[in-house]
Amino acid sequence: QQQVKQSPQSLIVQKGGISIINCAYENTAFDYFPWYQQFPGKGPALLIAIRPDVSEKKEGRFTISFNKSAKQFSLHIMDSQPGDSATNFCAASGEGFKTIFGAGTRLFVKA
Amino acid sequence: NAGVTQTPKFRVLKTGQSMTLLCAQDMNHEYMYWYRQDPGMGLRLIHYSVGEGTTAKGEVPDGYNVSRLKKQNFLLGLESAAPSQTSVYFCASITDYTGELFFGEGSRLTVL
Repeated sequence: QQQVKQSPQSLIVQKGGISIINCAYENTAFDYFPWYQQFPGKGPALLIAIRPDVSEKKEGRFTISFNKSAKQFSLHIMDSQPGDSATNFCAASGEGFKTIFGAGTRLFVKA
Repeated sequence: NAGVTQTPKFRVLKTGQSMTLLCAQDMNHEYMYWYRQDPGMGLRLIHYSVGEGTTAKGEVPDGYNVSRLKKQNFLLGLESAAPSQTSVYFCASITDYTGELFFGEGSRLTVL
């Protein structure tokens, strides 16, 4: 049973466009919702994160929108750049900081 | 500032062989985790530890064992490797006040 469902599997966006990745979770005990970015041959690294007491968090070009009642959250990348081309993972964390990941979205930004 | 270090980075095993992956962190983090990453499946939690001397099962623990004898080290063992365990393994550690996972660069394991 997949606790965190992510879509789409892959995404191609033009340079300067908006990239949108969606996630849904099942466990209402989750209390921390991070997004991680992974480049080939490297480990994932935190991009941005949100806690369920707010509906939106913005850091530079990256925004998380969070809908607690729908158990959904999404990542928006504004003004997407070729350097943003990577695999992005949504995740959810709860007790013991046990973090469960979505399946990942391969983002390709065309120059 | 090394962060999280995994050894070895690459390993090829034959079915039935055993091996241990070592994870070391120098950030004094309490919590440590082992994940496996397979194409199209994201990262799946194998085992984790909330402190020295503790271990707990994650999503996919079968076929693996772990030990956390020292706070800075978290070992992942395969007693009898199977081809299904071919994967990239990531170790991570976390602070208890931000929730941010710090990952190593991965260990690529191939079981023939």
